[in-house]
Amino acid sequence: DTGVSQNPRHKITKRGQNVTFRCDPISEHNRLYWYRQTLGQGPEFLTYFQNEAQLEKSRLLSDRFSAERPKGSFSTLEIQRTEQGDSAMYLCASSFKAQGEKLLFGSGTQLSVL
Amino acid sequence: SQQGEEDPQALSIQEGENATMNCSYKTSINNLQWYRQNSGRGLVHLILIRSNEREKHSGRLRVTLDTSKKSSSLLITASRAADTASYFCATAQGLTMNRDDKIIFGKGTRLHILP
Repeated sequence: DTGVSQNPRHKITKRGQNVTFRCDPISEHNRLYWYRQTLGQGPEFLTYFQNEAQLEKSRLLSDRFSAERPKGSFSTLEIQRTEQGDSAMYLCASSFKAQGEKLLFGSGTQLSVL
Repeated sequence: SQQGEEDPQALSIQEGENATMNCSYKTSINNLQWYRQNSGRGLVHLILIRSNEREKHSGRLRVTLDTSKKSSSLLITASRAADTASYFCATAQGLTMNRDDKIIFGKGTRLHILP
């Protein structure tokens, strides 16, 4: 297992376009988290899954953001009608709940909205 | 949403000195974790301390937890240049097996080790 994989590493898009990011977690991990991070700040919680079930979505997140984990394996995060304020690093992390919630992070997807 | 608040926001010390970072949080927790992030990279887990533990060690790291004060500290002894990074505390909120036990991060302490 090579760890948590995120694609793409970088995404540049124009305002108003839709973007989709993918996260492949550790295969035996049942929990998957999405966070957003801007420069100088900590990771901001967006949403998380246990297997294919989405347990919670941040109330700060607009309806333009949606995430799925259809088979309890990989996950996608879609942002519709992107805005300049969406520019950030989007981090994915996975864990095995029964092992105490130590998160393994991917390298992130850096989104720039022009 | 962010739960923890690290203090100080930034810290510069000489190589070889000890570095202490503090974290305060607001709600009851199951455990508290510390992570490190090098510039432009993903976070790396350092250490986890459970709510019924008071102190934990891992190599040059020492973590304390005071649930009555809702605070934790991370001590890095004999600092090295490679310790230069941002350090974040993270808390798992809620009851064990409760679906609301998501992991929330603080804003971080930026540590710079001077040669």
